[in-house]
Amino acid sequence: EAGVTQSPRYAVLQEGQAVSFWCDPISGHDTLYWYQQPRDQGPQLLVYFRDEAVIDNSQLPSDRFSAVRPKGTNSTLKIQSAKQGDTATYLCASSFDRGEVFFGKGTRLTVV
Amino acid sequence: GQQVQQSPSSLVLQEGENAELQCNFSSTATQLQWFYQSPGGSLVSLLSNPSGTKHTGRLTSTTVTKERRSSLHISSSQTTDSGTYLCAIDRLDSNYQLIWGSGTKLIIKP
Repeated sequence: EAGVTQSPRYAVLQEGQAVSFWCDPISGHDTLYWYQQPRDQGPQLLVYFRDEAVIDNSQLPSDRFSAVRPKGTNSTLKIQSAKQGDTATYLCASSFDRGEVFFGKGTRLTVV
Repeated sequence: GQQVQQSPSSLVLQEGENAELQCNFSSTATQLQWFYQSPGGSLVSLLSNPSGTKHTGRLTSTTVTKERRSSLHISSSQTTDSGTYLCAIDRLDSNYQLIWGSGTKLIIKP
């Protein structure tokens, strides 16, 4: 069984540029999470979905960050006008019905 | 206060020694997972153990639900076990959101 797939693995941006991250969860998993993990810190939840519905996006900096999961499968996280403070690893995870959560390898973003 | 507390915050052992990591949580957990993260790496699920005892390889997790604690025992540690171990719970009222501990940084010396 394939795990959670994320792309790209790495991204380097100038401040002000936009970037999109893509996530393909484990097949059949209804819940999808996006986390931000700055270097040497724990993961911080940005947004999560159950199927196509956003359950909680209260930690998403809504003015520059957006996330969608239109068909309840793949998801895209987008950052408009990136800032140096956005430098972090962005992790996607999925689970089925409050079961075990599995993470992808992450996208390491550097904003210079 | 912090809902998930892990101890110790760091642990240094010689290769071959056993490691014991603790996770205490302040509310009933419907799900509890132990994760491993190597420096610069992603999060790898080690064990899902909301109650009882589970084994996988050299890892044993024991969760005592009514005492709101879980432990992760690593036997015969290896240098490749070095990294950060994170405990996370999913509370009944947390609406699918994992609540994370701050981790135990484990260093295994050769």
